[in-house]
Amino acid sequence: NAGVTQTPKFRVLKTGQSMTLLCAQDMNHEYMYWYRQDPGMGLRLIHYSVGEGTTAKGEVPDGYNVSRLKKQNFLLGLESAAPSQTSVYFCASKPSFAIDTQYFGPGTRLTVL
Amino acid sequence: KQEVTQIPAALSVPEGENLVLNCSFTDSAIYNLQWFRQDPGKGLTSLLLIQSSQREQTSGRLNASLDKSSGRSTLYIAASQPGDSATYLCAVPNQAGTALIFGKGTTLSVSS
Repeated sequence: NAGVTQTPKFRVLKTGQSMTLLCAQDMNHEYMYWYRQDPGMGLRLIHYSVGEGTTAKGEVPDGYNVSRLKKQNFLLGLESAAPSQTSVYFCASKPSFAIDTQYFGPGTRLTVL
Repeated sequence: KQEVTQIPAALSVPEGENLVLNCSFTDSAIYNLQWFRQDPGKGLTSLLLIQSSQREQTSGRLNASLDKSSGRSTLYIAASQPGDSATYLCAVPNQAGTALIFGKGTTLSVSS
């Protein structure tokens, strides 16, 4: 099992450019998450999904869109990148019940110039 | 709204010391509490998960306790080693059980 994988690992964008981050999991998990991690701010939830075809907003959803067309994939899109979106992005997944732990990917380091 | 706080933000100790990391949360109605480890430039790895009905969990040199009534958890690390140097985060599920709310972490440095 590869667990949770993220593509790409690093990316540099110019302000206004768009990009999509891909998260894939091979554990048949129902729930998937996108977090961003910034110095002094901890991890903050951007969007999440409780199953294929569903998405929901987290704590900091503005400027991001997501899609869960397949159960194993969760895509995070930035339509018009801003310097404030410079961050490390983590994807996570877990089975459907609340008592279980989340499994994290290795992260994507994004810089917006 | 649930808030999770970790104290201290950073900690430096010599090798061999026993140490305690603290986590507090404002809403005691939690399903469980988790402690994660994050190495620099890496993702998060789950260390211990304590269910709401439990008071503690142990894994090797790590022991985590949970006191729901006071809104506190501690992570005890025995006989610290340089390899324990990392950031430790605690997290609790939100009310719906759909997502985790994280503290900002404690960055531990163990010197040899």
